[in-house]
Amino acid sequence: KNQVEQSPQSLIILEGKNCTLQCNYTVSPFSNLRWYKQDTGRGPVSLTIMTFSENTKSNGRYTATLDADTKQSSLHITASQLSDSASYICVVVINTGGFKTIFGAGTRLFVKA
Amino acid sequence: DAGVIQSPRHEVTEMGQEVTLRCKPISGHNSLFWYRQTMMRGLELLIYFNNNVPIDDSGMPEDRFSAKMPNASFSTLKIQPSEPRDSAVYFCASSLDRKFYEQYFGPGTRLTVT
Repeated sequence: KNQVEQSPQSLIILEGKNCTLQCNYTVSPFSNLRWYKQDTGRGPVSLTIMTFSENTKSNGRYTATLDADTKQSSLHITASQLSDSASYICVVVINTGGFKTIFGAGTRLFVKA
Repeated sequence: DAGVIQSPRHEVTEMGQEVTLRCKPISGHNSLFWYRQTMMRGLELLIYFNNNVPIDDSGMPEDRFSAKMPNASFSTLKIQPSEPRDSAVYFCASSLDRKFYEQYFGPGTRLTVT
């Protein structure tokens, strides 16, 4: 079982619609959780970083939520645009004396006109 | 700021050849990370440096892989000898130490080993 599981694997939505991507994790001790956006052929770009005490964080049309008790996070995209088509990667950082990063497999989002 | 710079952007080589990937982190950043990304395995952390010192190399797949950071503005990832299964996109990222988790990625090097 993956330590950081993302769902769905892929998603197709129409331009202007909203969508929510899920990330569930099992690893600990938790330090922080990050969402990255990766356009095709480019490196990942950080969208949000959330620590244990943060429940919600927004970055423009992107809103991330975190429930550290249930070990779940979501990324909500409002009023999607064609440029939102990308892979969205959830990353959990744990602190075991040193920091260790565990990557989810990503959700591939396609926004259609 | 130019961001993280990687070279080459694309590399095609034959099995058995030595491959050297290069990275210039963002000026002032003192943590540097090498990642590998494949369709099958996604993103994997290979090694990370802090103040030019390798801190965690547990992700380096085998002895054919080595990484160096001779100074704060340059790092290399070397594969010798290369194998077809090394084909992947290799990313370098850097961050400020006090914001360990705020990593900035380079554009990546797409390596193809035939």
